[in-house]
Amino acid sequence: DGGITQSPKYLFRKEGQNVTLSCEQNLNHDAMYWYRQDPGQGLRLIYYSQIVNDFQKGDIAEGYSVSREKKESFPLTVTSAQKNPTAFYLCASSTHYSRGRDTEAFFGQGTRLTVV
Amino acid sequence: AQSVSQHNHHVILSEAASLELGCNYSYGGTVNLFWYVQYPGQHLQLLLKYFSGDPLVKGIKGFEAEFIKSKFSFNLRKPSVQWSDTAEYFCAVRIKAAGNKLTFGGGTRVLVKP
Repeated sequence: DGGITQSPKYLFRKEGQNVTLSCEQNLNHDAMYWYRQDPGQGLRLIYYSQIVNDFQKGDIAEGYSVSREKKESFPLTVTSAQKNPTAFYLCASSTHYSRGRDTEAFFGQGTRLTVV
Repeated sequence: AQSVSQHNHHVILSEAASLELGCNYSYGGTVNLFWYVQYPGQHLQLLLKYFSGDPLVKGIKGFEAEFIKSKFSFNLRKPSVQWSDTAEYFCAVRIKAAGNKLTFGGGTRVLVKP
């Protein structure tokens, strides 16, 4: 089945540790995104990538880093510099906007990160 | 910077009532518009989308939305809700000039009482 896989579903880390969240897609999508979802704040864009080896900061990139070495993978690292890392993280992918219609984003199931 | 505003954070209504959720965005150029739904415990799903053409778009589960360019709005409607419509609804905007950046609103939690 085609889709987006985020792992793990739940993640616990100690304060001060970096942690990497995995996102893999087999939809052959060019673009991938990372969002953070907090109650009452909707989805806030952390980073996005339109093609391999390229990515841009979103609205809340501070304390996060990403890489896009392969088309199907877009891992997110939550660093110790992120002040409030406990949140629900969502990964999404889409075809490139230049393709016109049918370029909506598809989402993974999310990873709930708890930092203690 | 582009922004998306959803006016209602929480909506409570009874079954068979009509639903309208507001969405406004802050950009005057070409946009793609989306409404997503997140049912309890499930991942985000696309309800409907607007790219061009007829400004009244129909989506799944009886939902529709109207793009009013002059008002920078893309409001979601459903004539008669069901208990199963209890969910959180998100409006999203992609601005052509900003490439693939997809910005979401703050979401509206809808509770439908049986």
